[in-house]
Amino acid sequence: DAKTTQPPSMDCAEGRAANLPCNHSTISGNEYVYWYRQIHSQGPQYIIHGLKNNETNEMASLIITEDRKSSTLILPHATLRDTAVYYCIVRVIWVNDMRFGAGTRLTVKP
Amino acid sequence: NAGVTQTPKFQVLKTGQSMTLQCAQDMNHNSMYWYRQDPGMGLRLIYYSASEGTTDKGEVPNGYNVSRLNKREFSLRLESAAPSQTSVYFCASSDPSGGADTQYFGPGTRLTVL
Repeated sequence: DAKTTQPPSMDCAEGRAANLPCNHSTISGNEYVYWYRQIHSQGPQYIIHGLKNNETNEMASLIITEDRKSSTLILPHATLRDTAVYYCIVRVIWVNDMRFGAGTRLTVKP
Repeated sequence: NAGVTQTPKFQVLKTGQSMTLQCAQDMNHNSMYWYRQDPGMGLRLIYYSASEGTTDKGEVPNGYNVSRLNKREFSLRLESAAPSQTSVYFCASSDPSGGADTQYFGPGTRLTVL
């Protein structure tokens, strides 16, 4: 079973920030939070990951609460091409056990 | 670099037929993976290979066999296909020594078993 809970779907207006929540209340101290996305029927694409500090890269920002029981992926200026299913995954780094849940289907609208 | 490539892109089989899905990566990664994705669901790990010469079962290994032919190639074999194996199959690779242990995915093989 996936260790995360995500809303099944969200909408966002083009150009606005998309904030995708994820609950992982049973996360262990050595587990990282990873985000991937899957555009249409393509293979999943890595977005970002973090342990306890907030992280930012060219694609997105990851905000992890202090108790690490939840996190938010932020796409600062969503475009139509960001329409995809977004997966939040918790895993021990370097251990081959990445469990995908159903994810959040984000639809960016003009 | 092509990244992760998979062949074929589409395949239709009859129940009981066998086939091998091919996967290759050109990123010099040690680890490779096979996942399946059923409609409306997330990916589930079938088998993985942490390094050349080693393979291990994932979440849903029944009905499949794998071969890590060399560092570049990792194949998935269905010996006797069943309709329950109708799915999209994704191969991935990663370099656990690279810090992020990011997995890079191929474009998928869409398999239908009649």
